[in-house]
Amino acid sequence: SQQGEEDPQALSIQEGENATMNCSYKTSINNLQWYRQNSGRGLVHLILIRSNEREKHSGRLRVTLDTSKKSSSLLITASRAADTASYFCATAPYGNKLVFGAGTILRVKS
Amino acid sequence: KAGVTQTPRYLIKTRGQQVTLSCSPISGHRSVSWYQQTPGQGLQFLFEYFSETQRNKGNFPGRFSGRQFSNSRSEMNVSTLELGDSALYLCASSLSGEGETQYFGPGTRLLVL
Repeated sequence: SQQGEEDPQALSIQEGENATMNCSYKTSINNLQWYRQNSGRGLVHLILIRSNEREKHSGRLRVTLDTSKKSSSLLITASRAADTASYFCATAPYGNKLVFGAGTILRVKS
Repeated sequence: KAGVTQTPRYLIKTRGQQVTLSCSPISGHRSVSWYQQTPGQGLQFLFEYFSETQRNKGNFPGRFSGRQFSNSRSEMNVSTLELGDSALYLCASSLSGEGETQYFGPGTRLLVL
């Protein structure tokens, strides 16, 4: 079963625009992680935000976490064609078992 | 540091056969987890090994098994392959504790005919 649900399922934007993806989850968490996957390859870790953090930045990425609403958002600013990929949020309800959402497919048009 | 490596990268098998996939974690990482990714079910956790012991297990049948060696390298085995086992199998490693960043390998794409 999936813990997180991403929204939207697909997103198409122009290069230079910002992209926002949302993730909702069901149970309490210690942290939430965002990953990127290009064309069915391995997952690339983007950012980890802990349950006691509300916002985190990494380069052009900004992640927010609202534990009261059990939701998180990933903002990619000034998107590039190379950002075209699938983006997944993942939580770890216990141990190291990651539970992934269905993902958001982002297409950045140049 | 070298990343997580998985071998082989691609594999074609027929129903009823068995397959073994290999994963070498990042040097110093002691936890190795396996995930299955399919278009229908998405990314699903198979199991996690730490210090040669299975620490967590997902909801997969007993045909799926794994092990970890003293150097932290891990293998997973699928016996009596079914068409539905066609998937991308991903391995991830982390240092040891809970709630850590997991680093994924490129995956092994298995096609069962």
